[in-house]
Amino acid sequence: ILNVEQSPQSLHVQEGDSTNFTCSFPSSNFYALHWYRWETAKSPEALFVMTLNGDEKKKGRISATLNTKEGYSYLYIKGSQPEDSATYLCAFTDNYGQNFVFGPGTRLSVLP
Amino acid sequence: NAGVTQTPKFQVLKTGQSMTLQCAQDMNHEYMSWYRQDPGMGLRLIHYSVGAGITDQGEVPNGYNVSRSTTEDFPLRLLSAAPSQTSVYFCASSRGLSFYGYTFGSGTRLTVV
Repeated sequence: ILNVEQSPQSLHVQEGDSTNFTCSFPSSNFYALHWYRWETAKSPEALFVMTLNGDEKKKGRISATLNTKEGYSYLYIKGSQPEDSATYLCAFTDNYGQNFVFGPGTRLSVLP
Repeated sequence: NAGVTQTPKFQVLKTGQSMTLQCAQDMNHEYMSWYRQDPGMGLRLIHYSVGAGITDQGEVPNGYNVSRSTTEDFPLRLLSAAPSQTSVYFCASSRGLSFYGYTFGSGTRLTVV
């Protein structure tokens, strides 16, 4: 059974704060790591897909890094805004092509 | 481009009733899946399909049936609804799961009373 963990489970930050959270995944048979943003009452939307060790991706104030050797990825949000409030999901895929495993998510609340 | 379309958006069923949640995608994606989302449980895979005529079970398949007669459509059938099936259901599709990930539908909120 492939285990994908995310921490923290939830966090609250003030508007303007920068924050980051972690996705941990199996380091063997790695193919790709996906990040999704999931706003309440909506459906998950893809943020990034990363495949190479050391990959860094950026989209506006959100960025992500990848370490496949140790099995973790960080998602960073710079200068958090209330509209960043959402659950952030990561998902791991292996090189067998069949498994797509979501983590439990980190729920971010940005307080104005 | 409609993407992934789910109907209905909301549904209330009585225990024992059956119904079908519809899912259609217009992106010619081979891979389609059904997930349910419950508080504190994240997304759990119910059934998936790697192409027309091919389906398989996910993590929580009991009480649900699927079929995939065309590339576009992947309906989910609840055979005899139970209160434990109260959940939000998401259909998702992918052109190549490992790299491209999923495009999700807008979800169906189902309540079984």
